[in-house]
Amino acid sequence: NAGVTQTPKFRVLKTGQSMTLLCAQDMNHEYMYWYRQDPGMGLRLIHYSVGEGTTAKGEVPDGYNVSRLKKQNFLLGLESAAPSQTSVYFCASNRPGQGANEQFFGPGTRLTVL
Amino acid sequence: RKEVEQDPGPFNVPEGATVAFNCTYSNSASQSFFWYRQDCRKEPKLLMSVYSSGNEDGRFTAQLNRASQYISLLIRDSKLSDSATYLCVVNGPGTYKYIFGTGTRLKVLA
Repeated sequence: NAGVTQTPKFRVLKTGQSMTLLCAQDMNHEYMYWYRQDPGMGLRLIHYSVGEGTTAKGEVPDGYNVSRLKKQNFLLGLESAAPSQTSVYFCASNRPGQGANEQFFGPGTRLTVL
Repeated sequence: RKEVEQDPGPFNVPEGATVAFNCTYSNSASQSFFWYRQDCRKEPKLLMSVYSSGNEDGRFTAQLNRASQYISLLIRDSKLSDSATYLCVVNGPGTYKYIFGTGTRLKVLA
């Protein structure tokens, strides 16, 4: 099992460009999440999904959109990138009700917006 | 007040030392508690869940005090490989809500 994978691992964008980050999990988890991590701050939730076809806003959703067309995939889109979106993005998944509900994380995507 | 607060450190300790980290949380309705380990430029990985009765996994012991709303992590006989950032994570209320502390950085010195 690959667990949670993310593509790409690194990306540099110019202000105003768009891109999509892909998260995939092979653990049949219901819930998937997108976080960003910035220096001196904890991981902050951007958007999450509790099942195929459903998404919801987290703590810092502005400037991002998401889609969950298939249970195993969760896409994060930046329509018009801004320097404030320079960050490390982590995807996570879990299955609520199973054990202590721990989350499993992907390896991250390092995004720089110039 | 932050929902989850940790001392950022760094904690610099010699090999073999015992070190303890604390974390406080503000929402008394929180349901689950975790310690994650994060190595530099890597993803967080679960170190251990924290149960009300306290739990131990080898050199690591976690405690939860619901009345005072804090959790702790004790590392005994520190190894060089324990050097990392330790994240306190609180879940709930609500199954999707996970609040992350900013992390406590540990450096174990030879």
